Amino acid sequence: DVKVTQSSRYLVKRTGEKVFLECVQDMDHENMFWYRQDPGLGLRLIYFSYDVKMKEKGDIPEGYSVSREKKERFSLILESASTNQTSMYLCASSPRKGDEKLFFGSGTQLSVL
Amino acid sequence: KQEVTQIPAALSVPEGENLVLNCSFTDSAIYNLQWFRQDPGKGLTSLLLIQSSQREQTSGRLNASLDKSSGRSTLYIAASQPGDSATYLCAVTGGSEKLVFGKGMKLTVNP
Repeated sequence: DVKVTQSSRYLVKRTGEKVFLECVQDMDHENMFWYRQDPGLGLRLIYFSYDVKMKEKGDIPEGYSVSREKKERFSLILESASTNQTSMYLCASSPRKGDEKLFFGSGTQLSVL
Repeated sequence: KQEVTQIPAALSVPEGENLVLNCSFTDSAIYNLQWFRQDPGKGLTSLLLIQSSQREQTSGRLNASLDKSSGRSTLYIAASQPGDSATYLCAVTGGSEKLVFGKGMKLTVNP
């Protein structure tokens, strides 16, 4: 079975801190995604990557950056955390373009105080 | 811009009922449609993926159909069980190759 692992289940940070959310997948998938999920707003795409060292902006990239130095790892970075970034963050991967079946991690509930 | 709608937002039924969950999308130019399940506080699990050339997919008690021309998909759950209680989301992949999600439907199956 495909496994997508997010490094933290719960995280509490202070406003202004730099925050790293890590995601690792073990099935050699080319595509990786970061979403945030908020009540009433559903899932929104932050950034995605179709290959190593490649990244593309999703629908809400402001305040975030990403890094994909290795195929299996996709990191989401909050350069200066703000309270409106309190959310559930979900990482996902899919095999390749044309095979979009998504596999999700368990999520990281981030609270910014 | 593609929009995906799931109505109703919540549904509560007694155990054993056959259920139909609805999903509609505004742009029929899609590559595929997926149905997901999400348990509280957890990530999403892919249930079924229907390619644009297909009309339906089945997995166990689940059957998903796709009507591209009308912009609709349904997820049929046969003989519902309390363990089916979860939020069900549909998502479509279109020309941008990014998934667009509905907001989900929270299902409660009462014993």
